[in-house]
Amino acid sequence: NAGVTQTPKFQVLKTGQSMTLQCAQDMNHEYMSWYRQDPGMGLRLIHYSVGAGITDQGEVPNGYNVSRSTTEDFPLRLLSAAPSQTSVYFCASNPTPQGTGELFFGEGSRLTVL
Amino acid sequence: GENVEQHPSTLSVQEGDSAVIKCTYSDSASNYFPWYKQELGKGPQLIIDIRSNVGEKKDQRIAVTLNKTAKHFSLHITETQPEDSAVYFCAARFKAAGNKLTFGGGTRVLVKP
Repeated sequence: NAGVTQTPKFQVLKTGQSMTLQCAQDMNHEYMSWYRQDPGMGLRLIHYSVGAGITDQGEVPNGYNVSRSTTEDFPLRLLSAAPSQTSVYFCASNPTPQGTGELFFGEGSRLTVL
Repeated sequence: GENVEQHPSTLSVQEGDSAVIKCTYSDSASNYFPWYKQELGKGPQLIIDIRSNVGEKKDQRIAVTLNKTAKHFSLHITETQPEDSAVYFCAARFKAAGNKLTFGGGTRVLVKP
C-alpha cells in the first residue's frame, strides 16, 4: 500500500491564481481531511469528509473548497490564491467515519503564493 | 474556543539525556490525547496516545502522562538518540468541536551527539 499520496510536493502561485492539491489513499479509509501547517500554530483543520459525497468545514475553511466523489480521492481547491495561503498542506485519513484514533498523513505539499 | 498550548517551542538536549514536552488543554471533556512526530520533509506520524481513563502509558523509551484535574499531559523521552530529533505535536480531541483533533503549536527537539 502506498498510504496517503499528495501531489504536487511543491507549488508556487501568483496571487489570484487557482490550483488543486491532490490527495489519494489506497487504504479504503472513510475519513479524509486537509490540514495546513504554519510555524508555531501547529496543524489546523481546513475541511474534512466522513465518506464519499459528504464534506464539512474545519477550523479554517475560508478560501478553500473540497469534494469527495470517491472514497480514494479528496482534492483541495484554491479558487483565488492569496499570500496568506502560503503554507504546508497535509492530507490525512482514518479508517472510521468519525476519524477517531490514528490519523495517517501524507508527506505534504508546500505552497508559496507570491 | 478549544485550545491546546504546547511548551517549549524548541528543546535542545544532549544525547542520552531525557526530554519532556508539556501540553495543556481547555476542554475538561476531552478524552483522547495523541502525540505525533514529524521528521524533516515528512508528514506527522503517531508515536503514542492516551485516553482519559488512563494516567500513564509507556512504549519503550517514550511515555505519556495525563493529569485530568490540571488539564495537562506530557511526553517523556528517555535516553534520547539523534534519531529522536524531530518536531513533536500534541493534540486533544474536543467533544465540543465534534470530536475533531486540535493540535498544539509543536516542539522542535534537537538531540546533540
